[in-house]
Amino acid sequence: DVKVTQSSRYLVKRTGEKVFLECVQDMDHENMFWYRQDPGLGLRLIYFSYDVKMKEKGDIPEGYSVSREKKERFSLILESASTNQTSMYLCASRPGQSNQPQHFGDGTRLSIL
Amino acid sequence: LAKTTQPISMDSYEGQEVNITCSHNNIATNDYITWYQQFPSQGPRFIIQGYKTKVTNEVASLFIPADRKSSTLSLPRVSLSDTAVYYCLVGDPTFTGGGNKLTFGTGTQLKVEL
Repeated sequence: DVKVTQSSRYLVKRTGEKVFLECVQDMDHENMFWYRQDPGLGLRLIYFSYDVKMKEKGDIPEGYSVSREKKERFSLILESASTNQTSMYLCASRPGQSNQPQHFGDGTRLSIL
Repeated sequence: LAKTTQPISMDSYEGQEVNITCSHNNIATNDYITWYQQFPSQGPRFIIQGYKTKVTNEVASLFIPADRKSSTLSLPRVSLSDTAVYYCLVGDPTFTGGGNKLTFGTGTQLKVEL
């Protein structure tokens, strides 16, 4: 079974802090994704990566950056956290060049005070 | 980018068959249709994926008509544990470039009662 692990289930940070959310997958997948999920808005794609050191913006990249230095790890960075970034953050991965679906981690509920 | 439309909510009783229909009028030739299930405080879990006609696995069936402008997820004999949000997604999973963005809608909240 594919395992996508997010480093924290719950996280509380303060406005202006630099926040790192980590995601690791154990299936050698090329593609990795970061979403945020908010009530009434569903899941929205922030960034995705299709290879090491490669990244592309999703639908709502503002205020976020990402890092993919190793194939198994995809990090989401909040450069200067703001209260409107309080949300559930979900990481996913899938094999590249195939019709296989994305597999998700259990999410990190981030609160910015 | 193909968008999807699903009912916001559905109610059912244990033992019944539940069918959730998703509309995707501007589906592209290479797009697959994928369904996910999500429980509170968990990430979405893959249920089933298809391209055309019918796909069945141990959990559900997916019916896709010839024009592919809609699809129906069928859950046989639901139980209380099937209470969850169900998402329909349309996209080309083989495309790893800038278009590889599978858009999640707000999903369908299925509530199963005794």
